[in-house]
Amino acid sequence: NAGVTQTPKFRILKIGQSMTLQCTQDMNHNYMYWYRQDPGMGLKLIYYSVGAGITDKGEVPNGYNVSRSTTEDFPLRLELAAPSQTSVYFCASSYSGRGLSGANVLTFGAGSRLTVL
Amino acid sequence: GDSVTQMEGPVTLSEEAFLTINCTYTATGYPSLFWYVQYPGEGLQLLLKATKADDKGSNKGFEATYRKETTSFHLEKGSVQVSDSAVYFCALRSSGGYQKVTFGTGTKLQVIP
Repeated sequence: NAGVTQTPKFRILKIGQSMTLQCTQDMNHNYMYWYRQDPGMGLKLIYYSVGAGITDKGEVPNGYNVSRSTTEDFPLRLELAAPSQTSVYFCASSYSGRGLSGANVLTFGAGSRLTVL
Repeated sequence: GDSVTQMEGPVTLSEEAFLTINCTYTATGYPSLFWYVQYPGEGLQLLLKATKADDKGSNKGFEATYRKETTSFHLEKGSVQVSDSAVYFCALRSSGGYQKVTFGTGTKLQVIP
């Protein structure tokens, strides 16, 4: 199984440019998440989705947009890149369900390192 | 709101030393608790979990017990190896709402031969 696949792994952007980080999962998980990881700051939730067509803001949504047109895909869009968005971005997924052994455990992608200059 | 506090790193230990990484939490209701591990250049992966008070999660020689009375979930291992060098994250999943997951800031462990 591929699990959670993120692309690209590395990207350098100029201030004001736009880009999309891609995320695909093949586990039929209903929940998907985008986190950013800054040094010494742990993970901050940007956006999440509880199913196709449903998305909501996390802790740090400003400057980002998402969509969830299918169960598998959850792209993250940066419209006007700023240096403050330099970070490592992680996509994750999980399935909900009480009493199921693997339920509610996050599966992470390998990360996308973004630098904005 | 929910929060997770874990001990500052980095932690440097010699091989075969005893490891403790402290984690305390603040949450309403009955959250599930997790330890995730991140090896260099990789994403996070589940190390162990506990879903109710007094549960003990264990995996790869690591253990953590869900202590509701002290709101803690400390990670322990009796004898660390060089291969355990990684960043360890404590996390909780809230029992209500959409099951929000809150992470601690991570503790970097370096094990030297």
